[in-house]
Amino acid sequence: ILNVEQSPQSLHVQEGDSTNFTCSFPSSNFYALHWYRWETAKSPEALFVMTLNGDEKKKGRISATLNTKEGYSYLYIKGSQPEDSATYLCAFIGSSGGGADGLTFGKGTHLIIQP
Amino acid sequence: DTEVTQTPKHLVMGMTNKKSLKCEQHMGHRAMYWYKQKAKKPPELMFVYSYEKLSINESVPSRFSPECPNSSLLNLHLHALQPEDSALYLCASSPRGVSYNEQFFGPGTRLTVL
Repeated sequence: ILNVEQSPQSLHVQEGDSTNFTCSFPSSNFYALHWYRWETAKSPEALFVMTLNGDEKKKGRISATLNTKEGYSYLYIKGSQPEDSATYLCAFIGSSGGGADGLTFGKGTHLIIQP
Repeated sequence: DTEVTQTPKHLVMGMTNKKSLKCEQHMGHRAMYWYKQKAKKPPELMFVYSYEKLSINESVPSRFSPECPNSSLLNLHLHALQPEDSALYLCASSPRGVSYNEQFFGPGTRLTVL
């Protein structure tokens, strides 16, 4: 069983503040890491696919970094807005047999932006 | 068309019933996935179809039977389920097999087993 951990479990942030949270995953047999945003009553939506150690990706006010050697990724949100309220899931893809294994999701960070 | 659709949205079934969940995408994606998500837990991968062939089965009980009739359609046949199988069942697709591609998720089917 793969250990994919996200912290914190939940987070309350004031509108306009910046925030970040963590995904930790096995540092061996790394293939890729995905970040998804899941708003209540909607489908999970992909934010980033990260594959290389040192990767930094950005989409608007949201960015992510990747460290495969130590097994963690950070997601940053700059200037939080109410519409950023959602659960943020990371998903680890390993490679145990040469090809890619399936996704293993973390439990998510539930982010609430307070006006 | 850039979405994954799932039917039905909600399903209530008894333990002796046989039912099916349906998932469809018209994005030309060649990989499709079934996930199970229980309350307050992350989605758990059940099956992966790649180019219409079952490529990953995460030791799912045989009362769940996947089927991929063509590259746009994925079914999950349910038979003799248990109350603990009640969950949100999510379907997803990606351009190719499990790889560097992001997955596109449907809205899910909320299943209740009585």
